[in-house]
Amino acid sequence: GENVEQHPSTLSVQEGDSAVIKCTYSDSASNYFPWYKQELGKGPQLIIDIRSNVGEKKDQRIAVTLNKTAKHFSLHITETQPEDSAVYFCAAVGFQKLVFGTGTRLLVSP
Amino acid sequence: NAGVMQNPRHLVRRRGQEARLRCSPMKGHSHVYWYRQLPEEGLKFMVYLQKENIIDESGMPKERFSAEFPKEGPSILRIQQVVRGDSAAYFCASSPERGNGSPLHFGNGTRLTVT
Repeated sequence: GENVEQHPSTLSVQEGDSAVIKCTYSDSASNYFPWYKQELGKGPQLIIDIRSNVGEKKDQRIAVTLNKTAKHFSLHITETQPEDSAVYFCAAVGFQKLVFGTGTRLLVSP
Repeated sequence: NAGVMQNPRHLVRRRGQEARLRCSPMKGHSHVYWYRQLPEEGLKFMVYLQKENIIDESGMPKERFSAEFPKEGPSILRIQQVVRGDSAAYFCASSPERGNGSPLHFGNGTRLTVT
């Protein structure tokens, strides 16, 4: 089945810096890659997703890139703000279900 | 426009008791997924259901755990004879279509504590 690895596990940046989180997946048949943000005490919230026929997607300060050949995808957050502090999860669609990475705890210091 | 609703938010059970977790999907969504999250860990898939059918239960322990999604009413995750290792946050997600390429919308979870 699908296996998703995510790095780094923790990431500390200064406000205004950029943050990059990287994931790799194992199943070459996976075709959908969402990213979720989880704040303390809440459920994961979808922030951006990308499909396998697209190499890059942007939404304001957030962008995701996908390299199908290498089987890796990345989340880029520019001009980080303290409210971006949370745990971020990447995911890939295995057979009929999402498989999640282990999460990255992002801390943005003012 | 309610999202995925889970209740209770917090549930405390003694070892050996039963835990029932409820999930009402978003309006118009007929696909429900249950995930478990241990402290400081990621989300682990448990089970995928459509109305009245279990599609994939490959992530669910074979003993003590069961799930249903009846024609009417919420989806239920049931844990019998709970043990301390069952303490975790349980999240439900729903989608309007099968998971391949369809975004999942999560509830805020039920935090189960077994004493």
